[in-house]
Amino acid sequence: DAGITQSPRHKVTETGTPVTLRCHQTENHRYMYWYRQDPGHGLRLIHYSYGVKDTDKGEVSDGYSVSRSKTEDFLLTLESATSSQTSVYFCAISEGEGRSSPLHFGNGTRLTVT
Amino acid sequence: EDQVTQSPEALRLQEGESSSLNCSYTVSGLRGLFWYRQDPGKGPEFLFTLYSAGEEKEKERLKATLTKKESFLHITAPKPEDSATYLCAVQETNDYKLSFGAGTTVTVRA
Repeated sequence: DAGITQSPRHKVTETGTPVTLRCHQTENHRYMYWYRQDPGHGLRLIHYSYGVKDTDKGEVSDGYSVSRSKTEDFLLTLESATSSQTSVYFCAISEGEGRSSPLHFGNGTRLTVT
Repeated sequence: EDQVTQSPEALRLQEGESSSLNCSYTVSGLRGLFWYRQDPGKGPEFLFTLYSAGEEKEKERLKATLTKKESFLHITAPKPEDSATYLCAVQETNDYKLSFGAGTTVTVRA
């Protein structure tokens, strides 16, 4: 593991409720990402962060917000969960500098919205 | 338009039966092409980075190659433990985000 912890690992919630997923890293990497993975779509970027309080939108950001108040923590919030947000959510980190910047992933959070 | 397309979607192999996975991509400038392995219930695990056409990387029974439009992941004499989903991703010049393909699920039967 690349020092990434996602919590919770599983969650079931009802439509319309807010949900927050947490990603914690011990690597002190600058870049952090949230992806969702759905059958047939692969991994799609929701939001990413390039430093404390510096965040930007990815390709599927509608209905999601993020916050990063410390280098080690990156939070993903579903403001009002919908069934279309049922998915597996992955957090990733990278050094982001230099020629080689592969992402390293956590083990995911499986979210079910009923 | 999809940036990254992987084929086939699924591949069933007999143990020892070598094969190749394809990843075709369209970007204006390539910073890097990445291969990952993903096991059920786990996050993707980084395998290789390729930077320029003609480059090759190897790890055990896996070998990745790169051209200007596609990459291949060759699996030589696979074993059941090579069963997994293999993901390809590209990183464009001046960007740190990765765009992923949908993956190829490989099943190796003993």
